[in-house]
Amino acid sequence: NAGVTQTPKFQVLKTGQSMTLQCAQDMNHEYMSWYRQDPGMGLRLIHYSVGAGITDQGEVPNGYNVSRSTTEDFPLRLLSAAPSQTSVYFCASSTHRQGLLSYNEQFFGPGTRLTVL
Amino acid sequence: RKEVEQDPGPFNVPEGATVAFNCTYSNSASQSFFWYRQDCRKEPKLLMSVYSSGNEDGRFTAQLNRASQYISLLIRDSKLSDSATYLCVVNGRWGGGADGLTFGKGTHLIIQP
Repeated sequence: NAGVTQTPKFQVLKTGQSMTLQCAQDMNHEYMSWYRQDPGMGLRLIHYSVGAGITDQGEVPNGYNVSRSTTEDFPLRLLSAAPSQTSVYFCASSTHRQGLLSYNEQFFGPGTRLTVL
Repeated sequence: RKEVEQDPGPFNVPEGATVAFNCTYSNSASQSFFWYRQDCRKEPKLLMSVYSSGNEDGRFTAQLNRASQYISLLIRDSKLSDSATYLCVVNGRWGGGADGLTFGKGTHLIIQP
């Protein structure tokens, strides 16, 4: 198994450009999520999904869109990049027990380092 | 907003020593607790889950104190390879009702030879 894969590993954008960060997992996990990690801020949840066709907002969703058309893929779209979106982006997946406030081990991808000029 | 607080360190500890970190959380309804480890410029990886009765995995011991709303991590006989950032992770609900995991900012540990 490849686990969780993310592409690209590095990206430089200009303000106003749009792009999609790709995330895929081959573990048949229902739960997938996107985080951003900034110095001194820790990881913050952007969006998450509990299954194909279902997405929801996390703590910092503004400026980002997601979709979940398949179990395997969970792309993150930056609509109009801003310097404040310079960060390291991590995708994660896990099994998830529906109906319980209960989380299992999160498997993280290697991250995408994004710089917006 | 749910808060998870950790001492950022760095903790400079000689090899072979015992080191302990605490983490406090603000949501009394939280039910899932974890310690993750993150190496420099790498992704976080699960170190251990934290159970109500406390749990041990080799040199690592995790404790949960629900009354005082903190979790702890104890590392015995520390190794150079234990140098990393340790993230405290707790579940909770955002203001709009969505549930998610909240990560602490991490405690940086440096094991010195």
